[in-house]
Amino acid sequence: NAGVTQTPKFQVLKTGQSMTLQCAQDMNHEYMSWYRQDPGMGLRLIHYSVGAGITDQGEVPNGYNVSRSTTEDFPLRLLSAAPSQTSVYFCASSYGTGTSNEQYFGPGTRLTVT
Amino acid sequence: AQSVTQLDSQVPVFEEAPVELRCNYSSSVSVYLFWYVQYPNQGLQLLLKYLSGSTLVKGINGFEAEFNKSQTSFHLRKPSVHISDTAEYFCAVSVGTDKLIFGTGTRLQVFP
Repeated sequence: NAGVTQTPKFQVLKTGQSMTLQCAQDMNHEYMSWYRQDPGMGLRLIHYSVGAGITDQGEVPNGYNVSRSTTEDFPLRLLSAAPSQTSVYFCASSYGTGTSNEQYFGPGTRLTVT
Repeated sequence: AQSVTQLDSQVPVFEEAPVELRCNYSSSVSVYLFWYVQYPNQGLQLLLKYLSGSTLVKGINGFEAEFNKSQTSFHLRKPSVHISDTAEYFCAVSVGTDKLIFGTGTRLQVFP
């Protein structure tokens, strides 16, 4: 199993550009989520999904969109990038529909917005 | 709303010394509690979790944590640290079933 994979590893965007961060898992996990990690602020939940076709907002959803058309994939879209979105983004997945189980994290995407 | 407070942003310690990383949470309902570790340039890995039952939880790599409901704490301990334990440690709380909230992290630096 590859586990949770994220692409790209690094990305530089100009303000106003759009892009999609890809996340895929091959463990048939129902629950998937996106976090951003910023120095001194830990990980903050952006969006999450408890299954295909179901998504919901986390702590910091503004400026980001998600969709979940399949169990395996959970892309994160930035419609108009802003410097405040410079961060490291982590995707995670877990068995079941809740958060009582272990979260498996991807290796992260480091995004810089200039 | 629930929250997690990690009281120390950095903890320096010498190799083979004991260490305690502190975590307090705020919630008026039952919670699930977790400790995750992040090694440099990697994602997070689960160290241990408390769902119910015994308040002393043992995890991987010799770490353990104690759930204290009256003090709303879930401190992480290791009796003797190694250089390889140098990493960032995150406490997290799950209230309800669908959101996992992380603390700001504690950077453990182990010196020879």
